[in-house]
Amino acid sequence: NAGVTQTPKFRILKIGQSMTLQCAQDMNHNYMYWYRQDPGMGLKLIYYSVGAGITDKGEVPNGYNVSRSTTEDFPLRLELAAPSQTSVYFCASSYRGSVETQYFGPGTRLLVL
Amino acid sequence: GENVEQHPSTLSVQEGDSAVIKCTYSDSASNYFPWYKQELGKRPQLIIDIRSNVGEKKDQRIAVTLNKTAKHFSLHITETQPEDSAVYFCAASINNQGGKLIFGQGTELSVKP
Repeated sequence: NAGVTQTPKFRILKIGQSMTLQCAQDMNHNYMYWYRQDPGMGLKLIYYSVGAGITDKGEVPNGYNVSRSTTEDFPLRLELAAPSQTSVYFCASSYRGSVETQYFGPGTRLLVL
Repeated sequence: GENVEQHPSTLSVQEGDSAVIKCTYSDSASNYFPWYKQELGKRPQLIIDIRSNVGEKKDQRIAVTLNKTAKHFSLHITETQPEDSAVYFCAASINNQGGKLIFGQGTELSVKP
């Protein structure tokens, strides 16, 4: 199993541009999450999904959108990128959510200039 | 909502000494408390976790204790080694809320040879 994969690894965006961060898992996990990690800080939950077709907001959802059309994929969409969205983005998944281990992807480093 | 506070933010120990990192949480409904280790430029990786029905859990040199009454939990690393140097994050999850993890701010542990 590849586990949780993310693309791209690194991206530079100009202010106002849009992009989609890709996340996929091959562990047949129902729950998937998007976190952002600012330099020297902990992780903040952006959005999460408990199954295909079901998504919900986390702590910091503004400026982002998600969709979950399949169990395997959970893309994160940035519309109108802003410098405040410069961060490292981690996708994670777990089998059933509560009290289950979350496995993290390698992260996408995003720089908005 | 849930809030997790982590202390200290930095910790320096001599090789062979013990290290203790403490976290407090605010929501008494939290029932799952994982600890993640993150090396520079890498993804967070689970090192140990504890559920609310257990007071202590140990895995070789690593142990976690939970005090539900005081709403705090701690990570204990004994016989520290240079490869233990990393940033450690605690987190808390509330049952029946999709497994959302609320992270502490992180502790940068430095083990000096």
